[in-house]
Amino acid sequence: NAGVTQTPKFRVLKTGQSMTLLCAQDMNHEYMYWYRQDPGMGLRLIHYSVGEGTTAKGEVPDGYNVSRLKKQNFLLGLESAAPSQTSVYFCASSYSNLRQGVTEAFFGQGTRLTVV
Amino acid sequence: AQSVTQLGSHVSVSEGALVLLRCNYSSSVPPYLFWYVQYPNQGLQLLLKYTSAATLVKGINGFEAEFKKSETSFHLTKPSAHMSDAAEYFCAVRGGSQGNLIFGKGTKLSVKP
Repeated sequence: NAGVTQTPKFRVLKTGQSMTLLCAQDMNHEYMYWYRQDPGMGLRLIHYSVGEGTTAKGEVPDGYNVSRLKKQNFLLGLESAAPSQTSVYFCASSYSNLRQGVTEAFFGQGTRLTVV
Repeated sequence: AQSVTQLGSHVSVSEGALVLLRCNYSSSVPPYLFWYVQYPNQGLQLLLKYTSAATLVKGINGFEAEFKKSETSFHLTKPSAHMSDAAEYFCAVRGGSQGNLIFGKGTKLSVKP
């Protein structure tokens, strides 16, 4: 199993350019998340999805859009990149069981994005 | 609302010494708590989790954590540090029924030979 795969791993954008980050999971998980990691800030939730066709805003959603057209994929879009969006982006997925509810998250390897 | 505070952004120990990484949480409901490890340029890997069963939780690589409700703490320990333990460690609490995690700011562990 590949687990959670993120594409691309590195990217440099110019201010105002757009791009899409792709996250794919092969574990049949219902829940998927996008986080950003900045030095000294930990990870912060951008958007999440509780199932195919659903998305919701997290803590820091401004400047980002997401889509979950297929259960295994969760796309993060930047319509007009800004230097403040320079960060490492992590996708994660999770599943639910009857006893615990939603369990631990499984993370991808990250995408390092620099906006100049 | 849930939150997590990790005390100490950097911790340095000698190889073979005790590792203690501190985490305090705030939660309005019984918390689900997690410790993740991040090696340089990699994603996050689950070390262990507390889901209201046993208060002493054992994880991978010899790590364990004890849930103390009275102290609202979930500190991570390892009896004897190894060079390979050098990494950044994140404590997290489940933020809601949708499973999102609220992370602490992380503690970078250095291990001296």
